[in-house]
Amino acid sequence: GAVVSQHPSWVICKSGTSVKIECRSLDFQATTMFWYRQFPKQSLMLMATSNEGSKATYEQGVEKDKFLINHASLTLSTLTVTSAHPEDSSFYICSAGVSETQYFGPGTRLLVL
Amino acid sequence: QKEVEQNSGPLSVPEGAIASLNCTYSDRGSQSFFWYRQYSGKSPELIMFIYSNGDKEDGRFTAQLNKASQYVSLLIRDSQPSDSATYLCAVRLGSQGNLIFGKGTKLSVKP
Repeated sequence: GAVVSQHPSWVICKSGTSVKIECRSLDFQATTMFWYRQFPKQSLMLMATSNEGSKATYEQGVEKDKFLINHASLTLSTLTVTSAHPEDSSFYICSAGVSETQYFGPGTRLLVL
Repeated sequence: QKEVEQNSGPLSVPEGAIASLNCTYSDRGSQSFFWYRQYSGKSPELIMFIYSNGDKEDGRFTAQLNKASQYVSLLIRDSQPSDSATYLCAVRLGSQGNLIFGKGTKLSVKP
């Protein structure tokens, strides 16, 4: 149990385009999902906390207009990177809360050319 | 500011030895403690969690918590090369909310 999926696993896009990443809890309902970003050889950085049916809470320094989060159902949260630039290239990982633990998705690697 | 501190390593141990990974946290109100393993290029996977003072064992892994000293550790017995990864310590204040992660300790188990 407690499986979290992400789609796509890899994205390569041109600068200026928008990219949508989906995070799904496959066998449970998650009222809260979390979005992280990890640059090479660096630690996990929380970007935002997503609650079903309400606006996401963004961490300091994360632009909410650039990283749009939608948590429309108890099993799906999406992160849209708008007008992506090369500096947005990173490993984006979602996690979902179950009881008092968090389970991570496999991550989405984004490369912006 | 809530902080979780880990030695970045690398911690190198020979195969079959016990690997000891340590973590300290700043907020005395922390209630839940987690250890995740992250292989290079992969996302973190939960190893175990602990809420109460003392030891909690799961297979080759033992988590130890000392709330008075604000210290949590992970012991890996009979270390295997496949245990080579970065180990992340995470802490949460209450039953809800996000986890505060340490920067991780890189473990290398030499055959």
